[in-house]
Amino acid sequence: AQKITQTQPGMFVQEKEAVTLDCTYDTSDQSYGLFWYKQPSSGEMIFLIYQGSYDEQNATEGRYSLNFQKARKSANLVISASQLGDSAMYFCAIVCRGSNYKLTFGKGTLLTVNP
Amino acid sequence: EAEVAQSPRYKITEKSQAVAFWCDPISGHATLYWYRQILGQGPELLVQFQDESVVDDSQLPKDRFSAERLKGVDSTLKIQPAELGDSAMYLCASSAGLRETDTQYFGPGTRLTVL
Repeated sequence: AQKITQTQPGMFVQEKEAVTLDCTYDTSDQSYGLFWYKQPSSGEMIFLIYQGSYDEQNATEGRYSLNFQKARKSANLVISASQLGDSAMYFCAIVCRGSNYKLTFGKGTLLTVNP
Repeated sequence: EAEVAQSPRYKITEKSQAVAFWCDPISGHATLYWYRQILGQGPELLVQFQDESVVDDSQLPKDRFSAERLKGVDSTLKIQPAELGDSAMYLCASSAGLRETDTQYFGPGTRLTVL
């Protein structure tokens, strides 16, 4: 079975600063994908960034980057230059063949950006 | 930009009533997922379709829940009868296929309240 652990229930960051949201994962599959989603209070899950298990370089998408450390089974999300609109729940998730490619999510981290 | 459509956005019903949710995936996406998200938790898969076939419905409470994707395009999720514990956000997602590299894109969700 696959598992995602997000140990930070809540995080605070000042506007314009960078913040790291932690994610560790567990799977017996050799090939897997790691995803981060943002969920504002409206409820929609918004895709942010993807990292494949065989990707040698860390993924980046604008202000989002993924710090992928395969040996430690961690996939932390880094948000640079935080904005007030970044305040939301953030979910880390894993997809692999052993789970029929369904997303297995962590419990999420609530990020609050202070002005 | 292509989006996943869901309706209704909000549904309030009384227990023992029947409810139905509709989802239209991104055009051309073969795989469709229904997730349920209880407040304060990450989403969990209810049912997964590849075209019109069910890939995984192991977590679908089949005594009261049913799902169909008759023509391999849009999908309906039904609950009959609804129970108080069914109050949750119901999220539909679609992806191009069944690979760990295929990103799942979510619709806006249906927020169900059972009274």
